Amino acid sequence: RKEVEQDPGPFNVPEGATVAFNCTYSNSASQSFFWYRQDCRKEPKLLMSVYSSGNEDGRFTAQLNRASQYISLLIRDSKLSDSATYLCAVNGDNYGQNFVFGPGTRLSVLP
Amino acid sequence: NAGVMQNPRHLVRRRGQEARLRCSPMKGHSHVYWYRQLPEEGLKFMVYLQKENIIDESGMPKERFSAEFPKEGPSILRIQQVVRGDSAAYFCASSNRDRGREQYFGPGTRLTVT
Repeated sequence: RKEVEQDPGPFNVPEGATVAFNCTYSNSASQSFFWYRQDCRKEPKLLMSVYSSGNEDGRFTAQLNRASQYISLLIRDSKLSDSATYLCAVNGDNYGQNFVFGPGTRLSVLP
Repeated sequence: NAGVMQNPRHLVRRRGQEARLRCSPMKGHSHVYWYRQLPEEGLKFMVYLQKENIIDESGMPKERFSAEFPKEGPSILRIQQVVRGDSAAYFCASSNRDRGREQYFGPGTRLTVT
């Protein structure tokens, strides 16, 4: 089993739709979780950290389920500008600094 | 611009040459990470450094690759005797541990080996 797996995608959704991505991780000792977005051929940009209690930033909501070892990202009222690849990142060992990235889920928001 | 800086943005090398990639972390950050992204693949961790120390190089190929983060100046990722398989985007990220470990990425260096 890979350390971090994501929904393979691609997700093609109309503007205004709600879309959710999942990311599963294998290391039960992981402590830090993040969502990044990456536009084509550019650097990953931090979207949000994922806290145990869940967190929300505008149209974006992130959740953590430690028992099932997955994190999720929900995007409401999707915009054309949300089209990107979404990467989850999990710290890969108890030291806490080494990130393992998932392969990414590509989202295309269609007019 | 207080963000992570990388240069060059594009680098073309012939097989057998050396490639040097530079990264200056965000102001106030003392932790630097290098990642490699092959075409159509995900980000792969290579090495984690603090000033003058390599903390974790578990993702670095055993041969031809080295990294440093000197007391003064940028972090350097060095690839000796490049081969076509080294062609990729190399991203550097930095973090400040006191701020919860979020990593911020530079724009990357796209290495093409001809």
